Amino acid sequence: DTAVSQTPKYLVTQMGNDKSIKCEQNLGHDTMYWYKQDSKKFLKIMFSYNNKELIINETVPNRFSPKSPDKAHLNLHINSLELGDSAVYFCASSQVGRGGEAFFGQGTRLTVV
Amino acid sequence: DQQVKQNSPSLSVQEGRISILNCDYTNSMFDYFLWYKKYPAEGPTFLISISSIKDKNEDGRFTVFLNKSAKHLSLHIVPSQPGDSAVYFCAASAQGGSEKLVFGKGTKLTVNP
Repeated sequence: DTAVSQTPKYLVTQMGNDKSIKCEQNLGHDTMYWYKQDSKKFLKIMFSYNNKELIINETVPNRFSPKSPDKAHLNLHINSLELGDSAVYFCASSQVGRGGEAFFGQGTRLTVV
Repeated sequence: DQQVKQNSPSLSVQEGRISILNCDYTNSMFDYFLWYKKYPAEGPTFLISISSIKDKNEDGRFTVFLNKSAKHLSLHIVPSQPGDSAVYFCAASAQGGSEKLVFGKGTKLTVNP
């Protein structure tokens, strides 16, 4: 019974395409995140949503648009994919007041060719 | 501008010995520190945390030490086991803020049988 699940696990696509990554958490957490791990292995936050409201947007290009239909789901849509978007994307969730102690999904490895 | 630094990309220890992983930070606003463990092709898993009001937190074989004046924390694993082999990420957050996690680059620990 996975706490934070994201799909797909692997995604290979061509430049210019639009793709989505889905994320769901069953922990009852209020806050959900998208993190990106680039080729240099840095894990950096992209977005944070609290109860469906956007809290953090870390200067991510407009081509990336998160969507939170309810507090258990946070999807990531990426338009006009570029080679530099290739990375591993992690969804996470946490409860407010826990210092950001987040639970992560297994990651989605996106490869743009 | 790395606010959280893990200067050792890798560490190798013998089974049964102590593993010490180090982390430095620069942002004085950080008041909550966490360690995550990551296996290949999986998301980071929360290991242990410490609030800035403490200087030590222990959980079984894992102990985290915080030296606020030096802006330094360390994770001790005693005794080390082969199953501890993974990448360990240090992370920090500011509880009064957005609670986003700022990660270090990670240290790959290898525990040799």
